[in-house]
Amino acid sequence: DTEVTQTPKHLVMGMTNKKSLKCEQHMGHRAMYWYKQKAKKPPELMFVYSYEKLSINESVPSRFSPECPNSSLLNLHLHALQPEDSALYLCASSHGTGTGYTFGSGTRLTVV
Amino acid sequence: EDQVTQSPEALRLQEGESSSLNCSYTVSGLRGLFWYRQDPGKGPEFLFTLYSAGEEKEKERLKATLTKKESFLHITAPKPEDSATYLCAAQARGGADGLTFGKGTHLIIQP
Repeated sequence: DTEVTQTPKHLVMGMTNKKSLKCEQHMGHRAMYWYKQKAKKPPELMFVYSYEKLSINESVPSRFSPECPNSSLLNLHLHALQPEDSALYLCASSHGTGTGYTFGSGTRLTVV
Repeated sequence: EDQVTQSPEALRLQEGESSSLNCSYTVSGLRGLFWYRQDPGKGPEFLFTLYSAGEEKEKERLKATLTKKESFLHITAPKPEDSATYLCAAQARGGADGLTFGKGTHLIIQP
């Protein structure tokens, strides 16, 4: 298995909703990442997990809450989002620094 | 601050017309330079990693090269299916374990 699987593919949520994005990989990668990508912009790093521990949080608002239950799974819990949070949320994994990152197909999030 | 700049922003070529995409980078010690292809609404697809100046890698019609200041993605005799956005990203030594992306080059290959 050489894929990163993200669910759901599309999500529409209200500003008072709570939802979660899920990411799964079975490549034995030790690092997992969340990126946010707005239309016609490059991906921006949000969080990095290394060996299931949060190692980097790029000043992301607390309405985004990451969770890494085990080495294969990564979640992003969403609460009280704003319309400007609408974007493509990408999960990625890698063996470690300097190695190729494998990205999932993303979750297209729309906040109404 | 680490920076990655890609040019041109957009490029339209005829099928079979070879060209090159540029990626200039300023990082505090390069750990790796990555090239990705991204189709609309999809996640980036890994193409190459380059680690040191002078290194070259090839895959089908694509060839990536690296100098101390920039990287090039050469596209030879492109086909319409090569149309996509090509992203360059750099990772710095001793820094955050994430990638700094350029804004990408939107490539269109016309039949």
